[in-house]
Formats: sequence, C-alpha cells, structure tokens
Amino acid sequence: NAGVTQTPKFQVLKTGQSMTLQCAQDMNHNSMYWYRQDPGMGLRLIYYSASEGTTDKGEVPNGYNVSRLNKREFSLRLESAAPSQTSVYFCASSRTLSVAGNTIYFGEGSWLTVV
Amino acid sequence: AQTVTQSQPEMSVQEAETVTLSCTYDTSESDYYLFWYKQPPSRQMILVIRQEAYKQQNATENRFSVNFQKAAKSFSLKISDSQLGDAAMYFCAYRSFGGATNKLIFGTGTLLAVQP
Repeated sequence: NAGVTQTPKFQVLKTGQSMTLQCAQDMNHNSMYWYRQDPGMGLRLIYYSASEGTTDKGEVPNGYNVSRLNKREFSLRLESAAPSQTSVYFCASSRTLSVAGNTIYFGEGSWLTVV
Repeated sequence: AQTVTQSQPEMSVQEAETVTLSCTYDTSESDYYLFWYKQPPSRQMILVIRQEAYKQQNATENRFSVNFQKAAKSFSLKISDSQLGDAAMYFCAYRSFGGATNKLIFGTGTLLAVQP
C-alpha cells in the first residue's frame, strides 16, 4: 500500500531558487497537510487543505504556496528559497479534518537543504 | 494557544523492560485529542495511540498505554516489554476537538534508545 507519497526525498537548493514538493495519497482522503520539522522542534503546520479546491494557512505559511491539484495531490512550492527553509517536510492526509475516528497518515518526508 | 512539552530529550531502556515517556500540555479547551506518534529512522510518522479528552479510561494498544491526567494536563506513554524495534523518536501531539483550524500541535520529541 503506497499511502502518502512525497517527491523528491532529498533536494539541495541555492538561495533564491524555486522548487515544488509533490505529494499524492491513494486513500481517497479529503484533507491534506504540509508540515515542516526542524531540529529540536516538533512538526509545525505550514498549510492544509480541508477538501479539494480549498487551502488554508497553518502555523508557519510565510515563504510557501500550495496547490490542491485534485483530490489526490497537494503540492508545496518555495518561490524563492531561503536558508531558513532548510528542513524536513512532511505531507500528510486524513479522511476529513474531523478527529473523531480519523487518523492522519504521514509520508516519509522530504529533506530540503538551502545553501 | 495550545502548547505541548516533552521534557525528556532522550531516554534509554533495556530490552524487555518498561519505559515511560512524559508529556504535558497547556490548553484552555475542555474537549481535545492527544496522540503519541513514533518516528523511526525511516522518518515516517506512525500513530501509536490516541486519547480523547472526554474519556476517563486510559487508552491501550497492545504494549503501549497512556496515563492521562486531565486535571494535571499530563499524558505519558508507557511502553511495556520494550523491543529493539521500539527505538525511535516519539512525539506527543495535541489536536483541538473542532474548529476551522483543526491541526496537530507537536512537542519537541523524545529519542528512545533500546539496549539489547
């Protein structure tokens, strides 16, 4: 079972470059999320999408844009990468935003380094 | 705003022994959910156990159980009969019961080592 798939797994960018992290889920989930994980910190929510066609800011949205391309795919774009965006990025999905009886599934992470 | 605190950056346990990981949180909400996630070296986040705040009974999943103290805002994870495969980073997380910004708030994690 694929679950949540992220690409690429590793990427090195130069300051000012742009790139898009791709995420796809095959569980027919409505809600999708992007988190970042920095050393010594827990995961922090960047953006989320409650359902196809909607996106909302999370805790740390500055410097990022997202696109919910369809129900399966949710991409994260860095328009002008900065060293402060060096992090591990996790995509996740859940059936809905509601917690009741609802598990969030995470991808394996994408390690991004900005030099 | 809600916060989650894990005061133990690292813990170690002998194989087959029991270990308890601590988590405290701060919230003004009365209804919420608490989770423990495991992150092995593969880095994928795996749900270990969840607790609904309105339930007084502590959640249990096989060798994993929690001690949920709502008044003290404490949510510890007990791992019994520890196995080598339990070695991982463990994150405590909080989630509001509802609202427009339904999101997980994570602690900083506890790195668990299991000694053979």
